[in-house]
Amino acid sequence: NAGVTQTPKFQVLKTGQSMTLQCAQDMNHEYMSWYRQDPGMGLRLIHYSVGAGITDQGEVPNGYNVSRSTTEDFPLRLLSAAPSQTSVYFCASSYSALAARGEQFFGPGTRLTVL
Amino acid sequence: KQEVTQIPAALSVPEGENLVLNCSFTDSAIYNLQWFRQDPGKGLTSLLLIQSSQREQTSGRLNASLDKSSGRSTLYIAASQPGDSATYLCAVKRVGTNAGKSTFGDGTTLTVKP
Repeated sequence: NAGVTQTPKFQVLKTGQSMTLQCAQDMNHEYMSWYRQDPGMGLRLIHYSVGAGITDQGEVPNGYNVSRSTTEDFPLRLLSAAPSQTSVYFCASSYSALAARGEQFFGPGTRLTVL
Repeated sequence: KQEVTQIPAALSVPEGENLVLNCSFTDSAIYNLQWFRQDPGKGLTSLLLIQSSQREQTSGRLNASLDKSSGRSTLYIAASQPGDSATYLCAVKRVGTNAGKSTFGDGTTLTVKP
């Protein structure tokens, strides 16, 4: 198993550009999520999904869109990039959102800079 | 709102020492608590998951405990090694309609000196 994979690893955007951060998992996990990690602010949840076709907002959803058309993939779209979206983005997955099967596995991250 | 606190923010110990990292949370209605390790510039690696019904979990030199009533978890590292140097984060999943949400602490950065 490759686990959770993310592409690209690094990206530089100009203000106003759009892009999609890719996330995939091959563990048949139903639950997937996106976090951003910023110095002094820790990890914050952007969006999450409890299964194909079901998504919900996290703590900091503004400026981001997600969709979940398959169990394996959970892309994160930046609609119009802003410097405030400069961050490290992590995708995570778990078999279930709950209790015993709720162990989260993280991808290696995407380091995004918006100029 | 769930708040998770990890104290101290940084810890430096000599190699071979046993140590304890702390994690406190404000809402005891949780599904589980998970400890992670993060190396500089890398993603998070899962260390231990404790279900709400459990009191502790062990993996090798690591032992994590959970006391829901007091809102505390500890991560015990035995016989520390320089390779244990990293940032350690805890995360809790709170019971409720938004069960998918995890709240993370800011982490404790551990340095083990040879």
